[in-house]
Amino acid sequence: EAGVAQSPRYKIIEKRQSVAFWCNPISGHATLYWYQQILGQGPKLLIQFQNNGVVDDSQLPKDRFSAERLKGVDSTLKIQPAKLEDSAVYLCASSTGRIQETQYFGPGTRLLVL
Amino acid sequence: EDQVTQSPEALRLQEGESSSLNCSYTVSGLRGLFWYRQDPGKGPEFLFTLYSAGEEKEKERLKATLTKKESFLHITAPKPEDSATYLCASQETGGFKTIFGAGTRLFVKA
Repeated sequence: EAGVAQSPRYKIIEKRQSVAFWCNPISGHATLYWYQQILGQGPKLLIQFQNNGVVDDSQLPKDRFSAERLKGVDSTLKIQPAKLEDSAVYLCASSTGRIQETQYFGPGTRLLVL
Repeated sequence: EDQVTQSPEALRLQEGESSSLNCSYTVSGLRGLFWYRQDPGKGPEFLFTLYSAGEEKEKERLKATLTKKESFLHITAPKPEDSATYLCASQETGGFKTIFGAGTRLFVKA
């Protein structure tokens, strides 16, 4: 079974530029999560989708971050404009959508904002 | 505010030296307590889920236990390949929000 795919793996941008990350979850997984992991910290949930709908985006900085999940499968996370403090690893995870279900993580995208 | 706190931040062990990692949580209604392993440059890899106080789960040299306020990850006779960051996370009953701790970085020396 293929795992969660993310691209790109690395991205370096200047502050105030825009950037987008892509995630393809495990086939059949209804729930998709985006996390931000700053160096030395645990992952912080940014947004959670159940199929096409948003379940939780309470920690998403909506003035600069946006996310969508197309047709309940792939998802993109966008930052516009980027700030220095956005430098982090952006992790995508998916689960089947049943309660108490395990989340399976992708390899992450490392973003460096200069 | 719901919180997950892990200790110690870092732990250095000799090969074969058993120890425990601690995860304390304050979420009022616990749906599940998760343990993950994260290697450098990779995403977290699932280890265990615990659902109720008194529950225990084992996998090779790892054993996870759960009380009403804490979870422990016991490592018996660790090997260098057990070196990684171990993350715990709580999921609440009210919603589906998952909160991660900062992790414990484990170094096992041969």
